This record gives sequence, C-alpha cells and structure tokens, in this order.
Amino acid sequence: ILNVEQSPQSLHVQEGDSTNFTCSFPSSNFYALHWYRWETAKSPEALFVMTLNGDEKKKGRISATLNTKEGYSYLYIKGSQPEDSATYLCASNTGGFKTIFGAGTRLFVKA
Amino acid sequence: DAGVTQSPTHLIKTRGQQVTLRCSPKSGHDTVSWYQQALGQGPQFIFQYYEEEERQRGNFPDRFSGHQFPNYSSELNVNALLLGDSALYLCASSPGTRNEQYFGPGTRLTVT
Repeated sequence: ILNVEQSPQSLHVQEGDSTNFTCSFPSSNFYALHWYRWETAKSPEALFVMTLNGDEKKKGRISATLNTKEGYSYLYIKGSQPEDSATYLCASNTGGFKTIFGAGTRLFVKA
Repeated sequence: DAGVTQSPTHLIKTRGQQVTLRCSPKSGHDTVSWYQQALGQGPQFIFQYYEEEERQRGNFPDRFSGHQFPNYSSELNVNALLLGDSALYLCASSPGTRNEQYFGPGTRLTVT
C-alpha cells in the first residue's frame, strides 16, 4: 500500500448503533498514525496519535487500535450519537516529515 | 489561547493571479504545515516549515511557495493561479516536526 486508504467512504447509522471504520497505511517506515474528527464548518480535531504496534487508545465512546505490521487501524464508536456525525480522517507519518491523509469516512448518525 | 488562526476565510481570484494565505500557529508551536483539500478528497500535504526553513514538500509545483517568520507564523503563496487550485487550504501547527497537529479553520480559495 502506497497511500492511506479509508473504508467505508460513508456510513449511515441509527442513534445507539456501534460502528467501526478502517484505515490502511504503508507499513514500511511507519512512525505514527493519527485519527481526526472533522465536523462541518469546523477545524479537524485530533482524536488519537498512535505509534506502537498493538496500541489501543480510548476517548469516551471512541476507541482505536493499531496494527503496524500489517498496516491498518480501526476506529470504533460505541452507541453512536447524532453529535458523532462528522468526517473521520486518518493520517500516516512514514519516515519523513510529511503526513499522508486518507480521504475520510463520512459518518451520519440519525436520531 | 487562540489556537491556529488563518486569514482570510474566503478568497476569490482570477486565473493567472497570485494569492497569499496566512497562518498563525497555536501558542508554543514552532512547526507549520500546509495542506490543500479538494472536494471529496483528504487533505494533501503541500509543505512543512520549521525554523524558517521548508523541511519537506509534497507533490506540488513550484508555483506553490511558502515562508515562515521568526514568530513562527507562515504564509502560503500561489502564483499563476489555475482553476484547479480552487480548494480549502488548511494550516496545521505542532510542537516539533512529527507531533500531533492542530488545524486552523482553513481558507476557501475560489479561482474563476
């Protein structure tokens, strides 16, 4: 994998549903994996920075896991709420200083 | 703390013109990165500035240039604007070159 890829592209869930997204990234020269939440008309907000294989991070109802050997990360949202509606971006730092972003997963949570 | 600020918020330019976008980093941050986000895509890395030098550059032509000032604020300049340069331009700052980035609200550039 040369680029950062995210799936699905968009997701529609009902309030209370749990959901998860996938981020695939180059596993060679891995340095860090970032997750951001980007609400409409706001700035992207950092959720997690993950660096170690097997790392798991949690913030409230949102958690993320990291597998650097196979180059993927999962983001989980438990009990989705309408305020979780946003675009979720992952970004990879590999080697140099630049950050490569995926195209994002657009989450819509219906009340 | 004002966070990362960018100016202007919106801008309309004509093909062939030049534009300058500005970014003030979060207090305590010395590194500024610029991204271009076209509709339906993730942010694309343009370049990063640290200690007033360009540290790394993405796949953007030389029409895109930048500058970082001693107070760590930064400018992005785009010459000879093309229609395809229409996008949201995001600035992000961080304490160091590889740490968690904080984003500004972006500048929406429209080229007609």
